[in-house]
Amino acid sequence: QKEVEQNSGPLSVPEGAIASLNCTYSDRGSQSFFWYRQYSGKSPELIMSIYSNGDKEDGRFTAQLNKASQYVSLLIRDSQPSDSATYLCAVNTGNQFYFGTGTSLTVIP
Amino acid sequence: GAVVSQHPSWVICKSGTSVKIECRSLDFQATTMFWYRQFPKQSLMLMATSNEGSKATYEQGVEKDKFLINHASLTLSTLTVTSAHPEDSSFYICSARGGLAKTPYNEQFFGPGTRLTVL
Repeated sequence: QKEVEQNSGPLSVPEGAIASLNCTYSDRGSQSFFWYRQYSGKSPELIMSIYSNGDKEDGRFTAQLNKASQYVSLLIRDSQPSDSATYLCAVNTGNQFYFGTGTSLTVIP
Repeated sequence: GAVVSQHPSWVICKSGTSVKIECRSLDFQATTMFWYRQFPKQSLMLMATSNEGSKATYEQGVEKDKFLINHASLTLSTLTVTSAHPEDSSFYICSARGGLAKTPYNEQFFGPGTRLTVL
């Protein structure tokens, strides 16, 4: 079982819709959770971090964490074509970082 | 967020030569730096983790004698690809983690990456 699992997609949503990206992790001791966005040919960019159960909102982005279910998600409201990218979920467990393989999102104008 | 730079951004070299890539944290001290490799349309692959002043920890399957990592200071880590071959052609990305006043200790910030092409 992989440490972090994501649906590779591709996920397509129309412009203005809500994009929902999901991630599950295997280690219950994980403490920190991150979402990165990676445009094609570029390096990942940190967009959200979350540490406690519940929701964390930043602009159009909302991260949701449920430690009991070992599940973290990212919602993108009012999706824009510029949001089209691969979204990586990352989990920090002790001194280790684990990345998912990423979900490819396409926002259709 | 914190800024991490990499140099060079791209490099083309002949087979058999060595290439050094620098990774710098510009506005914070990076207690830990990570080196990743990414092939086209594939996910990030962690190569090694380096802590300032100590030897790097390499992931399984990564040759430490081929990919030399030096974390000489809290703001600089280097990756040297020795005797590069065409199969080493890839996108190499570093990231840094460290304490910042406004960000938690364990957030990881990526450099822009170095695209290596070995002829």
